Amino acid sequence: GENVEQHPSTLSVQEGDSAVIKCTYSDSASNYFPWYKQELGKGPQLIIDIRSNVGEKKDQRIAVTLNKTAKHFSLHITETQPEDSAVYFCAAKTGGADGLTFGKGTHLIIQP
Amino acid sequence: GAGVSQSPSNKVTEKGKDVELRCDPISGHTALYWYRQSLGQGLEFLIYFQGNSAPDKSGLPSDRFSAERTGGSVSTLTIQRTQQEDSAVYLCASSLDLQETQYFGPGTRLLVL
Repeated sequence: GENVEQHPSTLSVQEGDSAVIKCTYSDSASNYFPWYKQELGKGPQLIIDIRSNVGEKKDQRIAVTLNKTAKHFSLHITETQPEDSAVYFCAAKTGGADGLTFGKGTHLIIQP
Repeated sequence: GAGVSQSPSNKVTEKGKDVELRCDPISGHTALYWYRQSLGQGLEFLIYFQGNSAPDKSGLPSDRFSAERTGGSVSTLTIQRTQQEDSAVYLCASSLDLQETQYFGPGTRLLVL
């Protein structure tokens, strides 16, 4: 089955700087890659997603890039703000009828 | 509109008791998913429904776990004879169909004493 690796497990950046979180996946049949943000005591919230027919997608301060050949995708957050502090999860899904396979998560800390 | 709702938000039970967790998906979403989140295992997919049908139950951790969905809407996840290792947050998600974005509920935090 699919396996998703996520790095780093913890990332501390200064407010206003950029943050990058990287994920790799194993199943070449995966074609959908969402990113979720989870705050303490809440469910995961979708922040951006990308499908395998697209190499990059951007939404204001957040962007995701996908390299299908290398089987990795990354989340980029620019101009970080205190409210960006949370745990971020990457995930992958094939086109078949199954659930998401998640990475282990990255705890993003924004230092004031 | 309303998001995915789950109840109860917290549940404390004694080892050996049965528990029932409920998920109310976003209106009109045909696909529904159950996940488990624990410190040791991260976010783990358990089962999905397309309509009322769950074609693949292999992701359920043991035969003590069962799930059903009736009327293409509300789903219940039942854990029989709970064990301490069942302690986790149980998350439900729904999507328009199986290929679309999944939206998560707030989860049910289960503690088995």
